[in-house]
Parts: sequence; structure tokens; C-alpha cells
Amino acid sequence: ETGVTQSPTHLIKTRGQQVTLRCSSQSGHNTVSWYQQALGQGPQFIFQYYREEENGRGNFPPRFSGLQFPNYSSELNVNALELDDSALYLCASSLGPSTEAFFGQGTRLTVV
Amino acid sequence: DQQVKQNSPSLSVQEGRISILNCDYTNSMFDYFLWYKKYPAEGPTFLISISSIKDKNEDGRFTVFLNKSAKHLSLHIVPSQPGDSAVYFCAANKSYQKVTFGTGTKLQVIP
Repeated sequence: ETGVTQSPTHLIKTRGQQVTLRCSSQSGHNTVSWYQQALGQGPQFIFQYYREEENGRGNFPPRFSGLQFPNYSSELNVNALELDDSALYLCASSLGPSTEAFFGQGTRLTVV
Repeated sequence: DQQVKQNSPSLSVQEGRISILNCDYTNSMFDYFLWYKKYPAEGPTFLISISSIKDKNEDGRFTVFLNKSAKHLSLHIVPSQPGDSAVYFCAANKSYQKVTFGTGTKLQVIP
């Protein structure tokens, strides 16, 4: 049984560019949540996908969008990158929307 | 609006002693509380949870206490071990809704 894996692990982008981050959920998990963790802060909820449908969204602008595929893997897309988007992006999968989540190692995004 | 607060950014404890990490919340609708541990360069790892219908949950060296009237929970680690050194996040949610995390407490267990 594989855990949650995220790719890439590190990424540097220029302001204004677009980025796609990927997440493979743990086997058997149908729910994926994405979080942004800025330096010195706790993870902030971006959105959750349950069985390919968005199932809740945090206070992030529409340029943060996502997708969940039939195999329950997921993507996070961020358009028009801003310097403040620099953070660790965490993906977490779970058996359902309200069960314990298992986190990947994160993608460290730096916007310059 | 920080609905889950961890007011101590760091804590140092001697090996073998008790570590107590505290967490306060403001949203009375939260009914499920979790603690996660995070090592550098790794994602958070689930540690222990408690439902709002209970006031204590124990798992080995880890015990979580919930005081609903005070909107306060705490994580006790006893005895503390050097491998427990990590950042601990308190988190909370209302059933089937998003999980809200605190800002974390960095625990250092000194050998």
C-alpha cells in the first residue's frame, strides 16, 4: 500500500506564470484535500475533492483551481502566480470527507 | 480570523518528563479535534484525535484532553522522548467540513 505522493517536491516559478501540482492519494482513499502552508503558519485549507467533485473551499481566490481524476489522484492549479503564493503546498487523502487525513510530503513552491 | 490557536510557538522539555501542548479554539461548532506531528521536509502525520462527546482519549504515551466549556484542548506526551521533537499542529473541524489548523508548537525534547 503506497502512501500519499506529491510531485514535484520543489518548484521555482516567475510571477504571472501558471503552475500545476500533482498528488496521488493513498490506495482506497476517495477524498483529497489541498492546503497551503506559509512559513511559520499552520496549513490553510484550499479545497477538498470527494469522488471527483469539489466538496468545500477555503478563502482562496478563483485562480486556485483543482481537479480530481477517476483514480482519485488530484491536481492543484494556480494561475497568475503572485509572490505571496510562495509556500509549501500539502495534499492529504482520506477514506471520506471527515476521516483522518494522511499527508504527502508537500511541494515547496517559490515564486520570484 | 484564527479559529484554532496555539499560543506557544515553542516548548522545551527534558527527556522522560511530560510535554503538555495547548490549543484553544473559538468556533463552538467544532466537534472533532486532531493533533498532527510534523518533521522537517515531511508532511504532517496524524497522531491522535478526540470527538466532542468525549473529554479524554489515550493512545500509548499520548493523551488528548478536551474541555468544551473552556474551548481548550491539550496533548500530553509522557514520557517525552528525543524522537518526539517536531512541530505539533492542533486541528479542528465540524463534521464533513474543512479542517482548520493552528499555527503549530515546536517541541524540543532534550536528552
